[in-house]
Parts: sequence; structure tokens; C-alpha cells
Amino acid sequence: GQQVMQIPQYQHVQEGEDFTTYCNSSTTLSNIQWYKQRPGGHPVFLIQLVKSGEVKKQKRLTFQFGEAKKNSSLHITATQTTDVGTYFCAGSGWNFGNEKLTFGTGTRLTIIP
Amino acid sequence: EAGVAQSPRYKIIEKRQSVAFWCNPISGHATLYWYQQILGQGPKLLIQFQNNGVVDDSQLPKDRFSAERLKGVDSTLKIQPAKLEDSAVYLCASSLVQGRNEAFFGQGTRLTVV
Repeated sequence: GQQVMQIPQYQHVQEGEDFTTYCNSSTTLSNIQWYKQRPGGHPVFLIQLVKSGEVKKQKRLTFQFGEAKKNSSLHITATQTTDVGTYFCAGSGWNFGNEKLTFGTGTRLTIIP
Repeated sequence: EAGVAQSPRYKIIEKRQSVAFWCNPISGHATLYWYQQILGQGPKLLIQFQNNGVVDDSQLPKDRFSAERLKGVDSTLKIQPAKLEDSAVYLCASSLVQGRNEAFFGQGTRLTVV
């Protein structure tokens, strides 16, 4: 079945440093979505990437979708304390005629003020 | 726009007891997901509905878990009998179109089995 892995599992950075998390799928995806989950909260949608090689930016966040549509990355420039949380990628892939949304293992980001 | 509603927020039961969770998705959302999130892990898809039909339940432990979505709106997830390893947050999410749109999550139900 479809598996989605993320690295690293944890990342501790000083405030102001950059942060990157990488996502890899065992199968080709139709699209990939990114979510942020604050401690004690529920996942909240950030963005969706659909096209091969697509790059999207949201202020200090840059999202990339790989050419083969099997990997993705999220880069945060100059982290702030508000960036604390766990970042999940979620891959959407066809499974017997239905699109299934499979979440990655997540990268937990902590910020050292 | 009202969000995804889930109840209860918290539940503590003894092993071998039964429990049920309820979800009311966003109006008009055809796709409904139930995820299990164990502490420190990513959400694991248990079952996915398209309207009132099941499109994926490959990771649902069918000997103890069951779910239904009557009339393609509300959904319930039941565990009977519960095991210690079922302790987790159960998240319900809905989306307009399966896999193609963002999934909106409810607050989740935190289940503790003792």
C-alpha cells in the first residue's frame, strides 16, 4: 500500500534559523498537501501542490513538489516561535478507483528563543 | 461556515468496554475520513466514505472497529471491545472531493483505555 515517510522526525532550531522537512512517497501521487498541527490541536491545511516540479510560496514558507511526483519539501526561512508544531505532508494517490489521502510520519519543529 | 463537529472530546473506558464517536462533517462535503492518531505519530486512515459508501477501509481492524455514515452526512465510529492499544486521538475530517481538496479536521476525540 501507499506509504509516506518524512525526515527528520524532530528538528530543534534557534529562532531565526531556517528549517526544512522532506517527504517521500512509495508511489506516484496525484497531488500532495501539507498540514500543520500545533501541540494539542488538529491538523490544519497549509497548501496543495498538483503539478510536477511545482513550487509555491506563502510568506516565509516554500513548498516544492518533485518532478516524479513522489517527493516534496517544505522550507521555512527565518523561523519564529509561531512556527512551532508538527508538519505533515499528505499524499493523495489513486487506489482502485478512489483517491486516498495518506499522511506522512511528520516532523516536529521546536524553536529555541 | 461551521466546521467539522466531533463528540465527545474526551473518553476514558476500561479495556473490553465499547465506545462510540460521532462526527458531523461540513455541509456539502461528500468525503468523510476517520483517522487514528497515536501520540507522536501521524494520522492513520481507518476508513474513508464517499457519500454513504465505503471507498477504503483497508486499515480498519474489522474484528473490533465499525463505522457507518447514514444518509451520507453524519458518521459514527465504534470500537467493541476496546484494547489498551486503542488509546489515541480519533480525528474526523471531511473534504469536498476525495483527495483533491483540503481536508478539514474536527477537534478530535481523545480516547484513553485503562
